[in-house]
Amino acid sequence: DAGVTQSPTHLIKTRGQQVTLRCSPKSGHDTVSWYQQALGQGPQFIFQYYEEEERQRGNFPDRFSGHQFPNYSSELNVNALLLGDSALYLCASSTLRGIDNQPQHFGDGTRLSIL
Amino acid sequence: GESVGLHLPTLSVQEGDNSIINCAYSNSASDYFIWYKQESGKGPQFIIDIRSNMDKRQGQRVTVLLNKTVKHLSLQIAATQPGDSAVYFCAENPPNWGKFQFGAGTQVVVTP
Repeated sequence: DAGVTQSPTHLIKTRGQQVTLRCSPKSGHDTVSWYQQALGQGPQFIFQYYEEEERQRGNFPDRFSGHQFPNYSSELNVNALLLGDSALYLCASSTLRGIDNQPQHFGDGTRLSIL
Repeated sequence: GESVGLHLPTLSVQEGDNSIINCAYSNSASDYFIWYKQESGKGPQFIIDIRSNMDKRQGQRVTVLLNKTVKHLSLQIAATQPGDSAVYFCAENPPNWGKFQFGAGTQVVVTP
């Protein structure tokens, strides 16, 4: 039973560029959340997708956008990259079942470095 | 905004001893909590969860205690092993929110 998978594992971009990160949720999960983790800090919530719509959003600018596909996989897009966007981007999946308070299971992340 | 915080940034434990990791959460409305373990180069790994209608939950070698009166959470690891060396996060989930709020984490170092 595959867990949460993310691609690519590492990525190097320059300021001003755009990036797309991908996530496949754990089998049986229908909800995908994205987090940003700076070095030495805890993950910070970016947004959550359920039924192909953004369900909730954290305190991140509009440069951060996402998408969820009918097969529940998801993409995170970041435009106009800044040096401060360098971080580990984590995808977490869960099954909503119409309620919250469900455990979220994480992938190993994409390490994004901005030069 | 509100955030989850940990009392001890680094915890050094001798192999075989019990570990206790503490966490103070800020949102009194939070009703679900998870402890995660994160090893270097990997994503957070689910350890154990607890809902606000409980004050204690046990897993394999781990116990989570919840004190809602003082908004405190702890993770106890019995007979700590070298493989337990990692950063541990507590995360809180307020009601009607899909997100989890994490603190900065506690680095646990197991010494022989």
